[in-house]
Amino acid sequence: ILNVEQSPQSLHVQEGDSTNFTCSFPSSNFYALHWYRWETAKSPEALFVMTLNGDEKKKGRISATLNTKEGYSYLYIKGSQPEDSATYLCAFNTGTASKLTFGTGTRLQVTL
Amino acid sequence: IAGITQAPTSQILAAGRRMTLRCTQDMRHNAMYWYRQDLGLGLRLIHYSNTAGTTGKGEVPDGYSVSRANTDDFPLTLASAVPSQTSVYFCASSDSAGPLYNEQFFGPGTRLTVL
Repeated sequence: ILNVEQSPQSLHVQEGDSTNFTCSFPSSNFYALHWYRWETAKSPEALFVMTLNGDEKKKGRISATLNTKEGYSYLYIKGSQPEDSATYLCAFNTGTASKLTFGTGTRLQVTL
Repeated sequence: IAGITQAPTSQILAAGRRMTLRCTQDMRHNAMYWYRQDLGLGLRLIHYSNTAGTTGKGEVPDGYSVSRANTDDFPLTLASAVPSQTSVYFCASSDSAGPLYNEQFFGPGTRLTVL
């Protein structure tokens, strides 16, 4: 079983703060790293799919970087807003099958 | 509206009963998946299907079965439910099979309680 770890488990920031969290994954047999945003009482929604070492992706105030050689990805949120409150999941694919292994997520709460 | 639907939304079930959770997608995606979500454990893959007619086991397949008779539908069956199968079940689909370069789309979930 592949081990995908996310840290911190939870984070509480003030509106306007910038924040980042980490996803660690096995560096061997890498094919893709996914980031999902999961709001309470909703379904996970994809943010990014990253495949190349050194990849950087951006969507609005959210961006992500990927280091496949050392096995980690960072997700950054610039100027956090209350609507950013959600659990952020990363998931890892080795490419040997259509399987994603998910981390347990980082729960972000942004308050006014 | 394009997407994935799941039924029922929630269900309370007596232990030992048989139950089928339904999942339908209208995006013509090749691959479909069933996950369960449990507190502290995140999303765990139960079964998957790369394309109609094929299925595969995920991380926690015991006690569950699936079929993929066509592209759109991917039902999950609990042959004889046990309390440890109390969970929230999510169906997902992806426009790819094999290496997952494409995102997965998730249904709204089914909350199942086995008493």
